[in-house]
Amino acid sequence: AQTVTQSQPEMSVQEAETVTLSCTYDTSESDYYLFWYKQPPSRQMILVIRQEAYKQQNATENRFSVNFQKAAKSFSLKISDSQLGDAAMYFCAYRTDSINTGTASKLTFGTGTRLQVTL
Amino acid sequence: EPEVTQTPSHQVTQMGQEVILRCVPISNHLYFYWYRQILGQKVEFLVSFYNNEISEKSEIFDDQFSVERPDGSNFTLKIRSTKLEDSAMYFCASSGTMYSNQPQHFGDGTRLSIL
Repeated sequence: AQTVTQSQPEMSVQEAETVTLSCTYDTSESDYYLFWYKQPPSRQMILVIRQEAYKQQNATENRFSVNFQKAAKSFSLKISDSQLGDAAMYFCAYRTDSINTGTASKLTFGTGTRLQVTL
Repeated sequence: EPEVTQTPSHQVTQMGQEVILRCVPISNHLYFYWYRQILGQKVEFLVSFYNNEISEKSEIFDDQFSVERPDGSNFTLKIRSTKLEDSAMYFCASSGTMYSNQPQHFGDGTRLSIL
């Protein structure tokens, strides 16, 4: 079974600064996807960024980027130029490549990191 | 942008009662999921559903739980004879395809409180 670990329960960053949230995972699969979801106080989980395991290039979405180290099974999220609206719970998630299962696969989540953004 | 909607936002129920949580997935989506998040813990997968059948379920999803798509729009999670430990936030999600590169879209969740 796959597991996802987020070792930082809480992080804090000043506005306009950069912060990195850590995530490690364990799997015996070679084909999978990794995601970062954001859950603001409004509760709805919003996809921030995704990474295909077969791609060596790190994914980037505007101020959000990842550092994907497949051999180390590490998938950290970097938020640049942090904004007050970035304050939220951030979840790292793993998903098996459905091509291998033949059906839509579930997300396996970490315990989350609560990010505070200060002025 | 289309959204997944869940009702009610908060449900309070006496232990032993049945509860139905409702979800309206995004209209052209075919794959549906329920997850739950006990306060302070991680989000856990319960069940996935496609073509009117359960595709996968977790150990949590025992005989107490059932899912249904009673019409073309709703996707429900029924919990029979609720227990105190069923208190959690329940999230519905949907996706348009089975492919893992396509995101699951989540609703706002239903907070279930068992008294």
